[in-house]
Amino acid sequence: DAGVIQSPRHEVTEMGQEVTLRCKPISGHDYLFWYRQTMMRGLELLIYFNNNVPIDDSGMPEDRFSAKMPNASFSTLKIQPSEPRDSAVYFCASSPGGGPANTEAFFGQGTRLTVV
Amino acid sequence: GDSVTQMEGPVTLSEEAFLTINCTYTATGYPSLFWYVQYPGEGLQLLLKATKADDKGSNKGFEATYRKETTSFHLEKGSVQVSDSAVYFCALSHSGGYQKVTFGIGTKLQVIP
Repeated sequence: DAGVIQSPRHEVTEMGQEVTLRCKPISGHDYLFWYRQTMMRGLELLIYFNNNVPIDDSGMPEDRFSAKMPNASFSTLKIQPSEPRDSAVYFCASSPGGGPANTEAFFGQGTRLTVV
Repeated sequence: GDSVTQMEGPVTLSEEAFLTINCTYTATGYPSLFWYVQYPGEGLQLLLKATKADDKGSNKGFEATYRKETTSFHLEKGSVQVSDSAVYFCALSHSGGYQKVTFGIGTKLQVIP
């Protein structure tokens, strides 16, 4: 398996523009997570899905952020409109779930977002 | 709620030095505990894990023991290498239907030749 695949790897956009980040989880994994990493706040969980259904979106900072998972092999994180403070590295991760032996999360390489 | 506390970094060591990165946690029940490592420009990857009290996780010369009495999971390595330079995250997760992983802030390790 190729692992969790994120695109793009780098994104530079102007303030006010819409940004869409994409993620393809590992096949067969039931859980998908979106994280944001910054120097100030470390790694923050934004939202996670179980079997394509959003379970906990309490980490989504504002209504400008939205996430979807239309099928088991694809998820998007959208920011509209984007602001400079959204600049961060965004990680997608997936997990097979199922108990202690399967709670490891597999991370993509991340998308470095810069909003100017 | 669950939380993980790690020692502040950065930690700078000479090659072949002994490494300890402290980690303590607060959680209900009996979580699984993890150490993840993030190399420059990459995502996090699992380094080792322990799923019950007194378990010892080990990988690539790193070790950590699940201490329920002190709610700790300190990471150790007897002799670090330059290639170990990375950010290390302590984390916990509960079994069952709730799969969210709670991460610590991360500790940056720099090993100099």
